[in-house]
Amino acid sequence: AQKVTQAQTEISVVEKEDVTLDCVYETRDTTYYLFWYKQPPSGELVFLIRRNSFDEQNEISGRYSWNFQKSTSSFNFTITASQVVDSAVYFCALSTDRGSTLGRLYFGRGTQLTVWP
Amino acid sequence: DSGVTQTPKHLITATGQRVTLRCSPRSGDLSVYWYQQSLDQGLQFLIHYYNGEERAKGNILERFSAQQFPDLHSELNLSSLELGDSALYFCASSRGPGANVLTFGAGSRLTVL
Repeated sequence: AQKVTQAQTEISVVEKEDVTLDCVYETRDTTYYLFWYKQPPSGELVFLIRRNSFDEQNEISGRYSWNFQKSTSSFNFTITASQVVDSAVYFCALSTDRGSTLGRLYFGRGTQLTVWP
Repeated sequence: DSGVTQTPKHLITATGQRVTLRCSPRSGDLSVYWYQQSLDQGLQFLIHYYNGEERAKGNILERFSAQQFPDLHSELNLSSLELGDSALYFCASSRGPGANVLTFGAGSRLTVL
């Protein structure tokens, strides 16, 4: 079975602080994909990143960076120098190539990030 | 604008009623997914259609049904509504049936009174 755990329900930081959102996943499949989505107060789900299970290279995009470690089944997300506009719920998700669930995203419960000015 | 269009944005109805939520996928996308987001269940996968055919079912109640039409738009029908059906219903689309990036619509917020 596929499972995603985001242990941090809520995180509050002050602007310009760095913050890391944790994500731990479970799957028996060797080919899988990991995602992060952002849900701002307006409610839509915005795609941030996708990584496949064969690419453990960390990625940086502006103030965002992602650390993928297969050894610990983790795919953590760090925001550097946080801003008020980063306040949102962040979801980690998992997808596999298993036939019956092809393309389906398994979401974690999300982490509510609040950045105070 | 994600390119995935969902209507209506908000819907208020009474218990026992039936509603239909509509989704138009991004141009060129053949896959449509429906998700339900509620406070107690989080984001739950309901059903996946690819090019008009049902591909997978998740935690979808028997009172709920969906279909994807030849023009690729999809409808989610919710019947015999209960208070617990109040939730945000998302539609998402992707190019193919595989693990592509899902692009989500803005959601339809259903309130059952």
